[in-house]
Amino acid sequence: GAVVSQHPSRVICKSGTSVKIECRSLDFQATTMFWYRQFPKQSLMLMATSNEGSKATYEQGVEKDKFLINHASLTLSTLTVTSAHPEDSSFYICSARGLGVSPLHFGNGTRLTVT
Amino acid sequence: AQSVSQHNHHVILSEAASLELGCNYSYGGTVNLFWYVQYPGQHLQLLLKYFSGDPLVKGIKGFEAEFIKSKFSFNLRKPSVQWSDTAEYFCAVNALEYGNKLVFGAGTILRVKS
Repeated sequence: GAVVSQHPSRVICKSGTSVKIECRSLDFQATTMFWYRQFPKQSLMLMATSNEGSKATYEQGVEKDKFLINHASLTLSTLTVTSAHPEDSSFYICSARGLGVSPLHFGNGTRLTVT
Repeated sequence: AQSVSQHNHHVILSEAASLELGCNYSYGGTVNLFWYVQYPGQHLQLLLKYFSGDPLVKGIKGFEAEFIKSKFSFNLRKPSVQWSDTAEYFCAVNALEYGNKLVFGAGTILRVKS
């Protein structure tokens, strides 16, 4: 079945540094990738939608200069958390969709801890 | 506001009990509906989906869900739960007229007592 690989699974960084999270579709071409954030005991919140070769569409309230998303190829999207702060600590999940209307395939998520 | 509502955040059942988890959405027009499951320590997995056709959808592990358009609902059911069904369940809706985004409910944590 379709597999989405997300890396790293866990990262700890110091306040003020930047962290890059990668999301790869391993056996299909992902025309659309989504980035979510999950706060403790809350639902997944969609942060942004990225289409290959174009700028990401951010949800209301998500700072696009802080959460940089790049979808340079049909198999790779990256999320960079710039100048991270402790309040950015969260669980980030990517998902990818192939051509047409199809279910999303999720990565395993990245636990970010900013100290 | 457009939303997906899951009525119970926490459900506790004994093994062999029947399960029904509610999901309602507020989107009009054409929707695709999903249930995802997240077992402890694992990532989200697709349980079942509805795109069109028979509104009663059968998924993996004995789960099924019924799409009732008039009620804007897509409730998840299982006749007899097992301890291994302990997990968090997310309903999700993809409303085509709203940019094809997938919007999740808040999730329901199911704990099955053995």
